[in-house]
Amino acid sequence: DAGVIQSPRHEVTEMGQEVTLRCKPISGHNSLFWYRQTMMRGLELLIYFNNNVPIDDSGMPEDRFSAKMPNASFSTLKIQPSEPRDSAVYFCASSLGDQETQYFGPGTRLLVL
Amino acid sequence: KQEVTQIPAALSVPEGENLVLNCSFTDSAIYNLQWFRQDPGKGLTSLLLIQSSQREQTSGRLNASLDKSSGRSTLYIAASQPGDSATYLCAVQGNNRLAFGKGNQVVVIP
Repeated sequence: DAGVIQSPRHEVTEMGQEVTLRCKPISGHNSLFWYRQTMMRGLELLIYFNNNVPIDDSGMPEDRFSAKMPNASFSTLKIQPSEPRDSAVYFCASSLGDQETQYFGPGTRLLVL
Repeated sequence: KQEVTQIPAALSVPEGENLVLNCSFTDSAIYNLQWFRQDPGKGLTSLLLIQSSQREQTSGRLNASLDKSSGRSTLYIAASQPGDSATYLCAVQGNNRLAFGKGNQVVVIP
């Protein structure tokens, strides 16, 4: 298996623009997680899905952030409008179950100017 | 809210020495504890997972212990090598959430 796939790997955008991050989990995994990593706050869970259903989105910072999982092999995290403070590395992870080992993608490094 | 602390934030050791990394957490009601490795610009790689009923796990030169009652875990890396240079993160699983520490940044000096 190719592991968790994320795209794009790098994104530079201007404040106010819409940003869409994409994730393909490992085939057969039924839990998917979106994290954000910054120097100040470390790794924070934004939202996670189980069987394509959002279970816990309490980490989503505000209404500008939204996440979807239309099927078992694809998820998106959207920021609209983006702000400079959204600059971070965004990781997607998947696991067989929500208490199992999580496998992380390589991350998307986002810079909002 | 679960708080996970890793001290020190950064350390350097000469090659061949044993590494000891510490993790503490505030809420002992956990399902498991995991140690991850992160290389610069890369994602996280799971090293060891200790279930809440277990006291330790071993994989090769790595050994992780868990003391739930005191809210502590320790990762031991025996006979460190330059390839062990990375950031090591501790993560505690509880209530369907994985809470991470900020990591120990390790440099092994050849």
